Amino acid sequence: AQSVTQLDSHVSVSEGTPVLLRCNYSSSYSPSLFWYVQHPNKGLQLLLKYTSAATLVKGINGFEAEFKKSETSFHLTKPSAHMSDAAEYFCVVSPPSGGYNKLIFGAGTRLAVHP
Amino acid sequence: GAGVSQSPSNKVTEKGKDVELRCDPISGHTALYWYRQSLGQGLEFLIYFQGNSAPDKSGLPSDRFSAERTGGSVSTLTIQRTQQEDSAVYLCASSSGQTNTGELFFGEGSRLTVL
Repeated sequence: AQSVTQLDSHVSVSEGTPVLLRCNYSSSYSPSLFWYVQHPNKGLQLLLKYTSAATLVKGINGFEAEFKKSETSFHLTKPSAHMSDAAEYFCVVSPPSGGYNKLIFGAGTRLAVHP
Repeated sequence: GAGVSQSPSNKVTEKGKDVELRCDPISGHTALYWYRQSLGQGLEFLIYFQGNSAPDKSGLPSDRFSAERTGGSVSTLTIQRTQQEDSAVYLCASSSGQTNTGELFFGEGSRLTVL
């Protein structure tokens, strides 16, 4: 069985400071992992994905995430937060290829960015 | 349109009434998903359509919930005899159907409030 845990329900940072959103996963096989972002009253948008290639994945808007198998983590980071980064972020795990997807979403982390 | 379109964006109904929520996926996408997002929760998988295959209904919470996809395109999610616990945002997503890409394109959701 697979699961994903987002360790913080809320994170608050100042504009220009680093962002760290934490995610741990549980999977009995090598997973595919994703981060999605949801801005207020908007649909979810794919931020980045890991599919067993490079362990450091770069996404849109300056975000990146590092897959660490030994720690079963896939934390999302950004060196310098912008006001526009305020949103809800979801860590997602997917079963391996061989059929359709059934993504498993974490509970989400709400990021607040203040001046 | 260019993206996934959902209607209505907001629906307020009385307990016991039936509601229908509509989803227009991205043209050419063979896979279509319905998710439910309750306050403070992650996304809960409801149902999945892939081409002409039988849908995966394993996430539907009760027999009051049903969904159809006509002509491989538009989908309707129907909730009969609504209950207050059905209040949530219902998200539709589509994808190209390629195995394990993990990239779903989401609509902005239909917010359902059951009084």
